[in-house]
Amino acid sequence: EIVLTQSPGTLSLSPGERATLSCRASQSVSSSYLAWYQQKPGQAPRLLIYGASSRATGIPDRFSGSGSGTDFTLTISRLEPEDFAVYYCQQYGSSPPELTFGGGTKVEIK
Amino acid sequence: QLQLQESGPGLVKPSETLSLTCTVSGGSISSSSYYWGWIRQPPGKGLEWIGSIYYSGSTYYNPSLKSRVTISVDTSKNQFSLKLSSVTAADTAVYYCARLVAVAGNPRFDYWGQGTLVTVSS
Repeated sequence: EIVLTQSPGTLSLSPGERATLSCRASQSVSSSYLAWYQQKPGQAPRLLIYGASSRATGIPDRFSGSGSGTDFTLTISRLEPEDFAVYYCQQYGSSPPELTFGGGTKVEIK
Repeated sequence: QLQLQESGPGLVKPSETLSLTCTVSGGSISSSSYYWGWIRQPPGKGLEWIGSIYYSGSTYYNPSLKSRVTISVDTSKNQFSLKLSSVTAADTAVYYCARLVAVAGNPRFDYWGQGTLVTVSS
């Protein structure tokens, strides 16, 4: 089973600042199989990024994903007030087929 | 616009079986491009994938829950269901159903239900 470790646990930033979130896998993950989600309190998660770097429909271009192998990054170039939320990475493993989520990073207002 | 809606009891007694149904509207559950999945989130904690199903009935489960989980599909009703047996307080969570895109090698959950809180308590 692949374990995803997200860091930091909490990121305290001000609107307008840049956010860099890390997702590290316990073993190599295909870039095609790495996704990122945003979750606000009381809401379901929302897909942001899939295939490590492709933005989902309707996602602003201030959100970008990168990485390969065991290290992946979600970057928010300039934080907007609505971006303060919890972010999760997710990977798909094919043998056997299973999905796992990271523990999440909370982006909070400083 | 695709919509998913979870339904089922909000309170389940310990040792009993949790049963939830997800109704899909605005699209067909029988599309060859998608799997359908269940994910849960204990209060204040992170997301945990429970399992997924294809319209043909093919399933795959989280190994840590596999012995207690059954996911089934009813294409005539455009629904899929979750059964989790022998529940304990640790199974208290918000349960989400979601669509899993399974084509082009980029698996991801692109549509989610609003979630339903299930509490395990006597």
